[in-house]
Amino acid sequence: EAAVTQSPRNKVAVTGGKVTLSCNQTNNHNNMYWYRQDTGHGLRLIHYSYGAGSTEKGDIPDGYKASRPSQENFSLILELATPSQTSVYFCASGERHAETLYFGSGTRLTVL
Amino acid sequence: QQQVRQSPQSLTVWEGETAILNCSYENSAFDYFPWYQQFPGEGPALLISILSVSNKKEDGRFTIFFNKREKKLSLHIADSQPGDSATYFCAASTGYQNFYFGKGTSLTVIP
Repeated sequence: EAAVTQSPRNKVAVTGGKVTLSCNQTNNHNNMYWYRQDTGHGLRLIHYSYGAGSTEKGDIPDGYKASRPSQENFSLILELATPSQTSVYFCASGERHAETLYFGSGTRLTVL
Repeated sequence: QQQVRQSPQSLTVWEGETAILNCSYENSAFDYFPWYQQFPGEGPALLISILSVSNKKEDGRFTIFFNKREKKLSLHIADSQPGDSATYFCAASTGYQNFYFGKGTSLTVIP
């Protein structure tokens, strides 16, 4: 079973502050993804990566940056957090051209 | 533009009934359709999936029916159990890349 670990599980931030969400996977998957989940919107793709050093924009990248320093780690960075970024964020990983995405347990972010 | 649409938004069935969750899509290039199950406080997990070359996929009590011409598919959960209460996401991709998710259907099974 693929293991995807997100940290922190919960985060409260202030408007204008910098927030970093971290994701680690231990199964050597090439692809990693960041989604946000909001009531009425389902899962929306923010950024994704095909391997270390690469990041790509997803469907809703504005206000977010991503970093993939290694095969195992993928971070989501909010340089200037806003209340509209209050959400539950999920990281996922998967093999290239593979059927299954493996999700972490999520990070609940509240921006006050 | 929503690439994948799901209905209903929420569904309540009695234990033992068949729950039917619907999904439709826009992009004819989509060729792989997984369904993910999510329990509160957890991340989604793959439940069952189908390729566009098939019109039906079964796995125990879970069955996907697929209609390529109409760009529609449905997930049937037979003999629904209270433990099936969860949110179900339909997703779609082309060549297993960049999955697009629907907004989900929240299923409640009443004992």
